[in-house]
Amino acid sequence: EVQLVESGGGLVQPGRSLRLSCAASGFTFDDYAMNWVRQAPGKGLEWVSGINWNSVNIAYADSVKGRFTISRDNAKNSLYLEMNSLKPEDTALYYCAKDRGLYGLGSPFDYWGQGTLVTVSS
Amino acid sequence: DIVMTQSPDSLAVSLGERATINCKSSQSVLHSSNNKNYLAWYQQKPGQPPKLLIYWASTRESGVPDRFSGSGSGTDFTLTISSLQAEDVAVYYCHQYYSTPPMYTFGQGTKLEIK
Repeated sequence: EVQLVESGGGLVQPGRSLRLSCAASGFTFDDYAMNWVRQAPGKGLEWVSGINWNSVNIAYADSVKGRFTISRDNAKNSLYLEMNSLKPEDTALYYCAKDRGLYGLGSPFDYWGQGTLVTVSS
Repeated sequence: DIVMTQSPDSLAVSLGERATINCKSSQSVLHSSNNKNYLAWYQQKPGQPPKLLIYWASTRESGVPDRFSGSGSGTDFTLTISSLQAEDVAVYYCHQYYSTPPMYTFGQGTKLEIK
């Protein structure tokens, strides 16, 4: 059974940093691209970042480019999101989501975690 | 960026009746190399993560009831629920995964309720 479990969320002051993690199990992690998608309270879905299977292809939404860094450790079956210079508008539930297709980016997301809540407030 | 616009924002349909949700992209998501539309639909129930229903605009994900269907090509797409069930109450999102380099975008969501 595919499982994605996010952690690392919490309350943080504007301008500070936070690192999210996603532990994956139930599939061959290094065969698939992975993504972070966020959802502000009561709002819709916003894709944040994606990384292909070997970390060669990485992409970011314009809203986080230069502040967030996605990475993965295939040996640990884990995905990460380093978030710097956080702003109140980054407040959201952050989901880890698996690409449906093999290796590269460019597929829908077939499995999602339950999310970890990030609140940016003074 | 490709902007995805869904209509309507909310919809109330009687049990057993048809529900139709539309999604329009600001540019075509049909890839000429493989003739595939890079368009997916998700269902999100309260307190849950999104669930993939349809991909390549019209391919139903494994386990999804056949009352759900997707259609359309290029810039105009439709999700249809042929006979609404109580468990279909949710917010539905379209999603384009066409952009290269990736800059994926979702529609704003359509809230489906029982009339």
